[in-house]
Parts: sequence; C-alpha cells; structure tokens
Amino acid sequence: QSVLTQPPSVSAAPGQKVTISCSGSSSNIGNNYVAWYQQLPGTAPKLLIYDNNKRPSGIPDRFSGSKSGTSATLGITGLQTGDEADYYCGTWDSSLSAEVFGGGTKLTVL
Amino acid sequence: QITLKESGPTLVKPTQTLTLTCNFSGFSLSTSGVGVGWIRQPPGKALEWLALIYWNDDKRYSPSLKTRLTITKDTSKNLVVLTMTNADPADTATYYCAHRAVVIMPHGYFDLWGRGTLVTVSS
Repeated sequence: QSVLTQPPSVSAAPGQKVTISCSGSSSNIGNNYVAWYQQLPGTAPKLLIYDNNKRPSGIPDRFSGSKSGTSATLGITGLQTGDEADYYCGTWDSSLSAEVFGGGTKLTVL
Repeated sequence: QITLKESGPTLVKPTQTLTLTCNFSGFSLSTSGVGVGWIRQPPGKALEWLALIYWNDDKRYSPSLKTRLTITKDTSKNLVVLTMTNADPADTATYYCAHRAVVIMPHGYFDLWGRGTLVTVSS
C-alpha cells in the first residue's frame, strides 16, 4: 500500500478537464515539494510537474499542479487521446527518510 | 543533453545478487546539487523508490530494502551501480535509473529517466 493515495482511475472526454488527487500527510506532502510524473504505455516515467506547480521546459500549460495542506492535485485541460497514461505523484517523506510515490492513476480519455 | 541507460542481467536466480549499472552522460556526479536514483516497477504495478546517491556521496535507501541494497558511484566513468542481495521472485520488475535534481537535500525530483531494464527473478 502506497504512502501517497491516488484514485486508481479517472476518465473524461476529449477537450474536457480532469483532476487527479494525491493525498499524504504532514511528513511528506505537508512539508515537502510534490512532483508529478506521466507514464505513457510501455515507456519510462516523464517529469510533468515539480516543486508543486512548476512545469519543465516542453511541458504544455495544459498541465498544472497545486498543493494545499497534505494534498496535491494535477490538472489537465483540453484532454487529448495522447494524454492516456498512468500518472504518479511523488515527494520526500521526512519521517521515513525516503522518496515516496502514489499508487498511480490511470487516465482514460473516452 | 542528459541521458541515462540501465544495464544488467535479464534473469537472476533466487538468492543470487543482482547488480545493475546506470551509465549516464550530459552531467557529472561531482557537481553540487546532483544525484542519481533507482526506481523499480513490478509488471502492472506502481513505482517504488529504491536508492539515491548524491554528488557528495550521501546515500539514501528505501527503509524496507535497506539491508539488501548498496549504491555506489564512479564519477570518472559516469556510472552508478546498484546491488541487491538475496534476490526473490518479488523483485521481478523494470528497474529505472534517473537524474535527481536537488532542491534542498534530500528533497528533489527525478527530471530525466532511463528507459529501464526488465529483470526477472526465477529459478
């Protein structure tokens, strides 16, 4: 069972918006930066968001991140079929002294 | 351009020691603020962090696997090696190495990943 909790799956129609939640505690999300990773089928994870809400170069502004208290959220607008992937949140857990990931959320674009 | 590539055995027998190598280019592990991590993913399952090594040779391990893991670096050869003792079928997974961008030690994120290497543990 993952330290960070994500919904197993979300879905939405092309062009719509979707949010993916990531719930943790004060020892991880509550006091550390959150990153989000996208894993397209059969490929390695790719950094989407870092430091809670920053996008690496080349990541479109359709992807956004936010954090409030012990939860973080990934938002994706203007959904495209190419966004179908697994999404993971990750952060450092100060109590465990370990990097922790969520269980992953599978996004389906209907 | 930063690249990372994992290599190692595709098949390991239970109880054997698994040794994985991450060859990287485009950065130096002697540069302040840089690290390399290992993350694995069993088939159809979530990501699991294993270990990190930083430019200053600070090393961090997953608490659940700490007794079985050793991470080392060879700065001159641009490589990081992860060894895992006493392999078990539950260790069957794709193993990734990734460049760690450090925010404030030990916090950071994995901004570039290798393609991964699938390791099967079976007799």
